[in-house]
Amino acid sequence: GAVVSQHPSRVICKSGTSVKIECRSLDFQATTMFWYRQFPKQSLMLMATSNEGSKATYEQGVEKDKFLINHASLTLSTLTVTSAHPEDSSFYICSAREEALNTEAFFGQGTRLTVV
Amino acid sequence: ILNVEQSPQSLHVQEGDSTNFTCSFPSSNFYALHWYRWETAKSPEALFVMTLNGDEKKKGRISATLNTKEGYSYLYIKGSQPEDSATYLCAFIDSNYQLIWGAGTKLIIKP
Repeated sequence: GAVVSQHPSRVICKSGTSVKIECRSLDFQATTMFWYRQFPKQSLMLMATSNEGSKATYEQGVEKDKFLINHASLTLSTLTVTSAHPEDSSFYICSAREEALNTEAFFGQGTRLTVV
Repeated sequence: ILNVEQSPQSLHVQEGDSTNFTCSFPSSNFYALHWYRWETAKSPEALFVMTLNGDEKKKGRISATLNTKEGYSYLYIKGSQPEDSATYLCAFIDSNYQLIWGAGTKLIIKP
């Protein structure tokens, strides 16, 4: 199957700093990418959907100025957590999909963010 | 607004018992429905891609059915094992190829 690479897998940052997470599709063109977060003991929560070359669509309750999503190319999307706070500590995972018939979404390995 | 709902949100099942849960989706403009299995700390994996009304698919002890006219899909697990503990996600794809995710059903198998 297709491969989605997410980097970094773990990151620890100081409160107030910004962190960028990358999601790359390695062998296909990801027309659409999805960003999720998971709080401990809770389900995966969709944060936003991004289509290449256009602004991301954020789910209700997700601050777009806080979580900046850029999908500038068909193989790369980035999520930047700006001015991170301890409550932003979470597991973030991306998935990517090619806009073709019946293609499934492929997931990255996830990023464990800890804000201290 | 397209909405995909999964129920229940979480489920505790005794090892050896069979179980099932639901994904509800819009009954119009259907293109496909996908099921994924996601274990914590791993990448989700695709289980089934379903496209035709009445589709039934099976992979080992896990199977799924599809009713596009009424807008639901069931996922069944026969003889649950501890390794089945995971979150099961469904994704609805409409005729414009827009993909909408359900929130998932968290399944916990009790030994």
